[in-house]
Parts: sequence; structure tokens; C-alpha cells
Amino acid sequence: DAKTTQPPSMDCAEGRAANLPCNHSTISGNEYVYWYRQIHSQGPQYIIHGLKNNETNEMASLIITEDRKSSTLILPHATLRDTAVYYCIVRVASGGYNKLIFGAGTRLAVHP
Amino acid sequence: GAGVSQSPSNKVTEKGKDVELRCDPISGHTALYWYRQSLGQGLEFLIYFQGNSAPDKSGLPSDRFSAERTGGSVSTLTIQRTQQEDSAVYLCASSRDRGPGNTIYFGEGSWLTVV
Repeated sequence: DAKTTQPPSMDCAEGRAANLPCNHSTISGNEYVYWYRQIHSQGPQYIIHGLKNNETNEMASLIITEDRKSSTLILPHATLRDTAVYYCIVRVASGGYNKLIFGAGTRLAVHP
Repeated sequence: GAGVSQSPSNKVTEKGKDVELRCDPISGHTALYWYRQSLGQGLEFLIYFQGNSAPDKSGLPSDRFSAERTGGSVSTLTIQRTQQEDSAVYLCASSRDRGPGNTIYFGEGSWLTVV
């Protein structure tokens, strides 16, 4: 089972920041938080990941709370092309390796 | 290559026929994953390869499904005696290594329709 909880859907106006929350209260100390998005049924697109510190790249920012029990993905200036399903995933260690277990994600709709 | 490459991109097959789906991971990536996504559903893990060995096959739905990887690179997912419920997009992904800090990159998938 996925170790994360996300709202099923969110709306955002074009040009505004989209803040997507994720709860992962059972995360372990060595588990990373990853974010992917999927547009229609294309392959999931990697966005960003982090362990403890906040992270920023050209696509987004990831804010992780100090207790690591939740995080927020921020798209600073959402565009219509950001409409997608966003997945927050805790990288789970299994058998000595780490796989991604996808939950239902958040369906983000960016409107004009 | 620049990204994970999968072929065919689309495949329509008759029920009962066998199909093979191919995945070319990013060059140098030792870890390779197969996922499946049925229409309107979430992504379902199928199998993981580290090099040519598959330490985790726990997601394969039945013994009609098998996969192999050769030369630590190309992988083939084979579905025997296809059924209509096998219709889905099959996604391949790869990462440089198996550690949690190594990003997993996905291909665009192979759409399989069983009629």
C-alpha cells in the first residue's frame, strides 16, 4: 500500500502558485519523498525528490516539514500544461532495493 | 539513449495470442522496472531487475507473464495467451542504481489492447 495521503483533486488559476500537499506520517528516516506527474496516460514524469531539506529545481519546489511527516509541492506559476495527476511517493525499501508504490495522486486542474 | 525507450508504442492482439514488449533503459542504468496501468487505474508494480537478475517478481499477475533482461540492458516482457483483462499500458522505468536517492525515469509506455 502507498504510504502517502493526498487530496483527490485541486484547482488552480493559471499564473498562480499551485501548492499540493502530501501526508506521510509513517515515513522512515532513510526514505525519500518523490513527486511525479502524469498527463493523460503518458509515462510518469519525474518532478523532484528530497530527504530532509527543502529542494528546488526548474520545475518546482519541495517543502518538507521538520518532522518529515508531510510535504508540499509548489508549482510557482501554474500553466494550463501543468494540468495532470500528481503523485507523492515515499520510496519504500524492499528486499534491499527501493521501489515506487503509486497511490491515487491528486488531479490538478489549472484553469484560465 | 536520451531516455527510456519502449516498443511497440501500440499493439492490438487477439485473445489467446502471445505478445512481447521491449524496453531499452537509459544507458548505464542498472536497475529496471516494469509497471502496468489499466484504463483509469493507478500504476501497478510488476517486476524489478538489477542487472540481469530479477530479485522481485512479486507483481507479476499470473504465470502467463514473464520478463527477462539480457546484457544488463534491454528487457522484454512477455504475455502468453493474452486475455482481455491484460489490456493496459505497460510502462518501463530505469535508474542508475537501486538506492533510494537514484531517480527512476519512465518511458512512454506500450499500449496493449486485447480484442
